Amino acid sequence: AQSVTQPDIHITVSEGASLELRCNYSYGATPYLFWYVQSPGQGLQLLLKYFSGDTLVQGIKGFEAEFKRSQSSFNLRKPSVHWSDAAEYFCAVGPANAGGTSYGKLTFGQGTILTVHP
Amino acid sequence: GAGVSQSPSNKVTEKGKDVELRCDPISGHTALYWYRQSLGQGLEFLIYFQGNSAPDKSGLPSDRFSAERTGGSVSTLTIQRTQQEDSAVYLCASSLQGLSIYEQYFGPGTRLTVT
Repeated sequence: AQSVTQPDIHITVSEGASLELRCNYSYGATPYLFWYVQSPGQGLQLLLKYFSGDTLVQGIKGFEAEFKRSQSSFNLRKPSVHWSDAAEYFCAVGPANAGGTSYGKLTFGQGTILTVHP
Repeated sequence: GAGVSQSPSNKVTEKGKDVELRCDPISGHTALYWYRQSLGQGLEFLIYFQGNSAPDKSGLPSDRFSAERTGGSVSTLTIQRTQQEDSAVYLCASSLQGLSIYEQYFGPGTRLTVT
């Protein structure tokens, strides 16, 4: 069965510092990969997505993620964190097989809570 | 434009009662999803609809849970004979088709508390 692991439950960084949130997945074939963010009091929002091609993908709010097939990882990065980035971040995978009944179904990791210190 | 809306925003119910949660997707979005977010459990897929049909019901935790979608729009998630372990935030999302099926727009959720 597919699964997504986010090893860090909670990360604290100082404003202006760099950030890397880890994500590893277990899947039968290379899935589609996503990062969503849930800010306090707000719904989940798609940050970025990987379908194919260039393994370094850019998203909104200055975030990027790199797909590493050999490590089954899709880590999220940001060079300089802003206080407004404090939120919970979810890595997710979805099947790439458009013919399957589960196409569109996202499997989420447990989430990583990001705290930003001034 | 209007996003995904859910009602009620909060629901407190007694164990054993039935509850109905409603989701209004973004107009024109043909795919609709229900997820459950429990403390320490992350986000759990429940069911998804393509139009009015549900090709994947594999995530429904028990036969006490059911969902329907009518007119390709509004969806209702019903939980019968609620149990305390049903307490969670129930999230609804909608999307377009093709690769955009994964660009899911989430509603604010319904927080269900079973006492």
